[in-house]
Amino acid sequence: AIQMTQSPSSLSASVGDRVTITCRASQGIGNDLGWYQQKPGKAPKVLIYATSNLQSGVPSRFSGSGSDTDFTLTISSLQPEDFATYYCLQDLSYPITFGPGTRLEI
Amino acid sequence: EVQLVESGGGLVQPGGSLRLSCAASGFTFSDYYMDWVRQAPGKGLEWVGRTRNKANSYTTEYAASVKGRFTISRDDSKNSLYLQMNSLNTDDTAVYYCARSKFGSGTYYFDYWGQGTLVTVSS
Repeated sequence: AIQMTQSPSSLSASVGDRVTITCRASQGIGNDLGWYQQKPGKAPKVLIYATSNLQSGVPSRFSGSGSDTDFTLTISSLQPEDFATYYCLQDLSYPITFGPGTRLEI
Repeated sequence: EVQLVESGGGLVQPGGSLRLSCAASGFTFSDYYMDWVRQAPGKGLEWVGRTRNKANSYTTEYAASVKGRFTISRDDSKNSLYLQMNSLNTDDTAVYYCARSKFGSGTYYFDYWGQGTLVTVSS
């Protein structure tokens, strides 16, 4: 199974900050990488799919980049509603695997 | 409006069985792959399994942790997805989400999720 790691595991930031979260795959996954945001008690929400495609309705301050094994999610200017946990996910091969999550705190 | 509504969660004893349902509306259910994802209390997300659509023979995939114990099925005539869970153990305690898989830019991603249903395995 492809293992996904994320760094950092948690991050403290302020409104207006630029934040980058990194996801690494244990083997190459091309661009089959997505990013999900989850707030407490809520279902996850897709932000980015296929590495860099912004899901409809997601603010443009979110962006994704990378390829093969190394990927990043960038939030250009943090807003209060962005404080949440972020997960990467690979869908290249089964089993589909999530990263362990990055908790973004104020 | 796309909606996914899970039901069937509850308290079950170790070794027991439970069947979850996911009622879909607002889209052509038969066209889509559908997945189950779970989240243990205070933990991260874990993919459970997938059912492909009729065009792909309704084939299924499972996580190693549930293979042989869980079965995913669907009834396109009822716009419903199911998760039959047998031989449950305490590690299966989690919120279970159903999710729609959409194909875009060469990959699948979960574009809609249900609200989740809690399964608690305890004696």
